[in-house]
Amino acid sequence: DAKTTQPPSMDCAEGRAANLPCNHSTISGNEYVYWYRQIHSQGPQYIIHGLKNNETNEMASLIITEDRKSSTLILPHATLRDTAVYYCIALAQGGSEKLVFGKGTKLTVNP
Amino acid sequence: DTGVSQDPRHKITKRGQNVTFRCDPISEHNRLYWYRQTLGQGPEFLTYFQNEAQLEKSRLLSDRFSAERPKGSFSTLEIQRTEQGDSAMYLCASSVRTGEKGYTFGSGTRLTVV
Repeated sequence: DAKTTQPPSMDCAEGRAANLPCNHSTISGNEYVYWYRQIHSQGPQYIIHGLKNNETNEMASLIITEDRKSSTLILPHATLRDTAVYYCIALAQGGSEKLVFGKGTKLTVNP
Repeated sequence: DTGVSQDPRHKITKRGQNVTFRCDPISEHNRLYWYRQTLGQGPEFLTYFQNEAQLEKSRLLSDRFSAERPKGSFSTLEIQRTEQGDSAMYLCASSVRTGEKGYTFGSGTRLTVV
């Protein structure tokens, strides 16, 4: 699975959009981009995933560049409860589909 | 859908003792994973089951670790002769094939070896 690179930390004001970047320049054509987040002392929580097209669900939007070498997770109106570590993972479906976590981005939403 | 349950939530044990953790996945999920997470790090893959078959094990899973999933339902992770380096959060996750909705993780079992 492709390696991903994320900034170690970011800050965001409550109510504003949080844009979390991820680089995955070696991603293969069959690898999806998955995002998870982990709030302190809890297990990771699935947010969203995509292959080529931009995706949106009730939690977030995922923007993937046309060359698929990077993506951005957007939380449109960040709340204090969005403070967490966010993980970007490249994963090929099929096989074991085990997630390979990096250190992620610690997002702090400030009042 | 009651989510993925893990028991116990916390476990303190003396070095050298054996410990066993239990994971109850979401009932219709045929895939079950175990991960270990130490402070400041992302979760690390330990092992994967599809139904009752253990199909993949990480090199992190030493001979002291064993996992089972009898009948393809709940799973247990046993650590024999615990060492202080085993102190970590042990996470269980389950999913359906293709990971269409991603995994669902449990809240984990925090192990402290003293």
